[in-house]
Order: sequence, then structure tokens, then C-alpha cells
Amino acid sequence: DTGVSQDPRHKITKRGQNVTFRCDPISEHNRLYWYRQTLGQGPEFLTYFQNEAQLEKSRLLSDRFSAERPKGSFSTLEIQRTEQGDSAMYLCASSYGPSPEETQYFGPGTRLLVL
Amino acid sequence: AQKVTQAQTEISVVEKEDVTLDCVYETRDTTYYLFWYKQPPSGELVFLIRRNSFDEQNEISGRYSWNFQKSTSSFNFTITASQVVDSAVYFCALSDRTGNTPLVFGKGTRLSVIA
Repeated sequence: DTGVSQDPRHKITKRGQNVTFRCDPISEHNRLYWYRQTLGQGPEFLTYFQNEAQLEKSRLLSDRFSAERPKGSFSTLEIQRTEQGDSAMYLCASSYGPSPEETQYFGPGTRLLVL
Repeated sequence: AQKVTQAQTEISVVEKEDVTLDCVYETRDTTYYLFWYKQPPSGELVFLIRRNSFDEQNEISGRYSWNFQKSTSSFNFTITASQVVDSAVYFCALSDRTGNTPLVFGKGTRLSVIA
């Protein structure tokens, strides 16, 4: 069984550009999560999906951030008009089960650098 | 409110020494889950253990052991006979049914094992 995959692994962009990251969860997992991790900090929750429904998005950092999971499989996280403060590692995780307390398995992350 | 505190920012030990990583949590829920993850230099978070609030038995897995004490709201992690490959950042995390964040992480403890 393959793990969670994320693409790209690294992204360098100029301030003001839009970026999109993709996450493919473990195949049978119904829940998918996005986190941001800055240097020296633990992962910070952004949003999550159960199948195609986005159940929590109040933690998205601003209205420049949006996420989709249109068919309940892979998900995308988009950041519009990037700022230097968006530079961070963006992590995706997935889990299977009836509740969000199930174990989350993480992907390798996408490291974003905004110049 | 959900909160996880890892007071030790960095620890250095010499190979074969035992080391304990501390984790203190706060929650108002009576049902909750505690986790430990390892983040090696490659960046991917690796799941180590999940415990629920009703199971206070200590757990041992090879060189790893966990001490869960509800009376002090702690879930400490001990590595016995540490090895260089144990060098990583270790995160403690909490999941409960309050708030809108499925998983809350501590800031992590960076462990360096010196040969």
C-alpha cells in the first residue's frame, strides 16, 4: 500500500504569484488534512475533508488560501497572491475511520519559498 | 482549550544513553487521544504511537516506551540505548472532540544523538 504523496516537493515562486499543491491520500482513506509548518514549530492545522466535503476551513490563514477535494480522492491547496510570509512546509495527511481522532498519516510535504 | 507543551526544545545525548522526551497536554474533554510523531531531517512525519484517554497502561515497543499519566496530564516518551538514527524532531499531539482542530501539535523536541 503506497503512502500519502505530495507534488511538487519543492516550489520557488515570486511574490504575487499563485501556487497550487496536490496531495494524494492513502487509497482507502476518507479523511484528508492540510497543515502548515514553519521553522521550529509544530504543524499547524489548516483544513480537512471527509470524502469531498470540507468540514473545517476556519483555520485557513486568509482568504488567499483555498482547498478542494472534488471527487473525494486527491486534494489541492491553492495560495493566491503569495507573500513572503507564506514560505513554509505544507503537509498533507490522511486517515480512515468515523471520527477525526483516528491516526493521521503524513506525506513528505511541499516546501514553498516565496521570493 | 486544546494545548500541548513540549518544554524541551533541544536535547543532545551520547549514543547508548537513555533519553526521555516530555509532553504535557491540556484538554477539557474526557475522551481524547495522544500521539507521538518523529520528523527526521527528510521532513516526513512518521507516526509512532496513538493512545486513548482510557488506557493508562505504559507501552513498550523495542527501544521505545511511553508513560501516560492522567494525574499529571503527561505522555512522556523514552528511548532506551539511543542510536544516531534516532536523531530527529519528535512531536507530541492531542486529538479531542472540542474545538475545531482535529490534531494539535506541540512545538517539538529536537533530539541529537552523538556517536
